[in-house]
Amino acid sequence: KQEVTQIPAALSVPEGENLVLNCSFTDSAIYNLQWFRQDPGKGLTSLLLIQSSQREQTSGRLNASLDKSSGRSTLYIAASQPGDSATYLCAAGGNEKLTFGTGTRLTIIP
Amino acid sequence: DTAVSQTPKYLVTQMGNDKSIKCEQNLGHDTMYWYKQDSKKFLKIMFSYNNKELIINETVPNRFSPKSPDKAHLNLHINSLELGDSAVYFCASSHRSYEQYFGPGTRLTVT
Repeated sequence: KQEVTQIPAALSVPEGENLVLNCSFTDSAIYNLQWFRQDPGKGLTSLLLIQSSQREQTSGRLNASLDKSSGRSTLYIAASQPGDSATYLCAAGGNEKLTFGTGTRLTIIP
Repeated sequence: DTAVSQTPKYLVTQMGNDKSIKCEQNLGHDTMYWYKQDSKKFLKIMFSYNNKELIINETVPNRFSPKSPDKAHLNLHINSLELGDSAVYFCASSHRSYEQYFGPGTRLTVT
């Protein structure tokens, strides 16, 4: 059974800093790894999708990496902005479903 | 424009009632899902349909019955609502096992 963990549960950093969010999963037999953003009371916005054959994906200030052998993924956010404050969720794709982590609540301090 | 839409956005009802949540996607995807986000914000798969066929039923009580009239729609009917059913329900769609796109969610409150 796939289990996905995100540590830390909450993170506060000053504006302008670069930061890394961590995601680990127990079953390496995944199809893909997807990162989402969720603002309070809102739905999920897909940020990046990494297929199992890929090592990383980039979109603007975001870079996500995937290491299937170690069961880890990271989301790198460059030059953080107050608008980046949200909960970030990673989800491991496999067996026709996504298994979500518990999320990291990120606060960017102006 | 909306890729995955859900109605209603908010649903407040009393215990014992029956209610439905509707979901529609205009992305041409062949797979649709229902997820539940509980009070601790944990998201978990409930059902998955591929081409109107049930693929996943993740040990959800029989009171929950999904129905897919066509590939673009996946509705969720809940009988005899209980307090513990209060949560946010998200619909999603994808093309097979590729990127999933989520709807805005339906916040269900059972009193």
